[in-house]
Amino acid sequence: DSGVTQTPKHLITATGQRVTLRCSPRSGDLSVYWYQQSLDQGLQFLIQYYNGEERAKGNILERFSAQQFPDLHSELNLSSLELGDSALYFCASSVWTDSSYNEQFFGPGTRLTVL
Amino acid sequence: KNEVEQSPQNLTAQEGEFITINCSYSVGISALHWLQQHPGGGIVSLFMLSSGKKKHGRLIATINIQEKHSSLHITASHPRDSAVYICAVRGSGGGADGLTFGKGTHLIIQP
Repeated sequence: DSGVTQTPKHLITATGQRVTLRCSPRSGDLSVYWYQQSLDQGLQFLIQYYNGEERAKGNILERFSAQQFPDLHSELNLSSLELGDSALYFCASSVWTDSSYNEQFFGPGTRLTVL
Repeated sequence: KNEVEQSPQNLTAQEGEFITINCSYSVGISALHWLQQHPGGGIVSLFMLSSGKKKHGRLIATINIQEKHSSLHITASHPRDSAVYICAVRGSGGGADGLTFGKGTHLIIQP
């Protein structure tokens, strides 16, 4: 158990819908990362938050957005869903400071199926 | 060409064999991760390296920064080592810590 929790574990929805995925980082970790794992693209970095602020963007679509709340949990919002958005979505957290980079710990993932 | 290349893509071996998985990358990096993903989907971080060599139990990871190459070795392999092993790198440009991933090596250890 990495200490990172994600809910829900599975999500089935229809095209055009909007969903919210939730992540709680390990205690003490200020940085949260979102990743998408699909069969055709593999694992891709979506976005990083640090202590409530967006830190970096990767291959995140405009239909997707995220935020990190004062209690440090994070939500990834996916809207106008398409079949191709079906994937495993992972959250990871780390203790991150300006002076050092630390190991990332991964949550169990949310499996999203868009029908 | 992907920034992170792994080989082999698939590997089947007998229990007890010494396993080597390779990772080559084309960008400057500040850290390299080896991750393990079991069929259930969860990802476990095995190692984070920026130089040299690390060992944990039967697993050994090495990195050669000059050659932009890393290897993951498994000694005395066991069926429970069957999983996908993924190499991921963090760029050296500062700023974002998001990782760039290889496509993974699917390892099967037969009893």
